[in-house]
Amino acid sequence: QQQVKQSPQSLIVQKGGIPIINCAYENTAFDYFPWYQQFPGKGPALLIAIRPDVSEKKEGRFTISFNKSAKQFSLHIMDSQPGDSATYFCAAKGDVSGNYGGSQGNLIFGKGTKLSVKP
Amino acid sequence: DAGVTQSPTHLIKTRGQQVTLRCSPKSGHDTVSWYQQALGQGPQFIFQYYEEEERQRGNFPDRFSGHQFPNYSSELNVNALLLGDSALYLCASSTTGYGANVLTFGAGSRLTVL
Repeated sequence: QQQVKQSPQSLIVQKGGIPIINCAYENTAFDYFPWYQQFPGKGPALLIAIRPDVSEKKEGRFTISFNKSAKQFSLHIMDSQPGDSATYFCAAKGDVSGNYGGSQGNLIFGKGTKLSVKP
Repeated sequence: DAGVTQSPTHLIKTRGQQVTLRCSPKSGHDTVSWYQQALGQGPQFIFQYYEEEERQRGNFPDRFSGHQFPNYSSELNVNALLLGDSALYLCASSTTGYGANVLTFGAGSRLTVL
């Protein structure tokens, strides 16, 4: 059962364009929604994250829009550059109760979007 | 400051063999999680270790086991390898408390099972 659905699978934009990647989730217990960027041969790196009590978050050229009622969130990349060409993953994490430490809950990832920004 | 380091970077095994992958977490991190990333897919959670104990486990068979050492480093062991175990295995480290949500990933160990 795929709990986080990501689209599109691939995306090609011209330099300066605004690629938009969408994700939808099913589990209302999720309370943390990060986006990760992965370059070939590298591990995923955290780009930006949001909690459901906020509808939008901006960090530099990256913006997350969050729609709690629709259970959807999206990543917008303003003024995209060829260096932004990478695979982007959305993810979600639940608030797992427990008395132990550690990162409570685990990340559930979407299948990824391969972005190519043409010069 | 070194991030998460994993070894080996690449390895090839045959069906039925066993493999051990190693991970050193980022300095200051005490929690290690392992993920499997099949080609063209997102990472899938295998398990998480904290205080040398498995704290959470994803939907993976018992062939997948792990260990965390007192210095917070970790190992992932896979027994009786199957062709379908071919994947990039990612280790991620994090802290407890504030910042616990932020995972720092290593570059991964690419396992090919023939």
